Amino acid sequence: GNSVTQMEGPVTLSEEAFLTINCTYTATGYPSLFWYVQYPGEGLQLLLKATKADDKGSNKGFEATYRKETTSFHLEKGSVQVSDSAVYFCALIEGRRALTFGSGTRLQVQP
Amino acid sequence: GAVVSQHPSRVICKSGTSVKIECRSLDFQATTMFWYRQFPKQSLMLMATSNEGSKATYEQGVEKDKFLINHASLTLSTLTVTSAHPEDSSFYICSASDATNEKLFFGSGTQLSVL
Repeated sequence: GNSVTQMEGPVTLSEEAFLTINCTYTATGYPSLFWYVQYPGEGLQLLLKATKADDKGSNKGFEATYRKETTSFHLEKGSVQVSDSAVYFCALIEGRRALTFGSGTRLQVQP
Repeated sequence: GAVVSQHPSRVICKSGTSVKIECRSLDFQATTMFWYRQFPKQSLMLMATSNEGSKATYEQGVEKDKFLINHASLTLSTLTVTSAHPEDSSFYICSASDATNEKLFFGSGTQLSVL
């Protein structure tokens, strides 16, 4: 079956540091890939997505590239802010509307 | 603002009692709703999919008599954990999709603790 593996947190960074959160997936076909973010006390929000190999999703300074050869979709941001502190979930969809999620990575950005 | 409202955000109950969690879509008609559960340090796992007006489809290993799902209207789905036990303590979150499947929004989740 499908699965998503992402790095365990928490990830603690200083403001303006470079962020990478690793995500790899297992799927039988060609899934669409997503990053969701959950800010404290709020629901999951779609951060970015990519629907085919080599696509790059981007939003709010975050980027992730769909790498079929390495089955990865790592999340990156060049300069994090305190307001980026949240839990980040990598996820995929293949053939149905329900998402397969990773376990989430908590990011803490310190001033 | 939030387009899917989930309540309560946190509930503590005694073993053997039932707990109802509500998930409402605020500004669109949710033809399909999904219920997920997350144990600490694990992935969000799909429990069931419900379509308005029909019975929910449960994932393998999820007891349908224990986790009752009602999706009687296009704006409300409820998950009732019946005769809750400590092992049911978990984070439950809903998501809602409209008929076009273009919209998919999540609630803020419910942390259930069963004593």
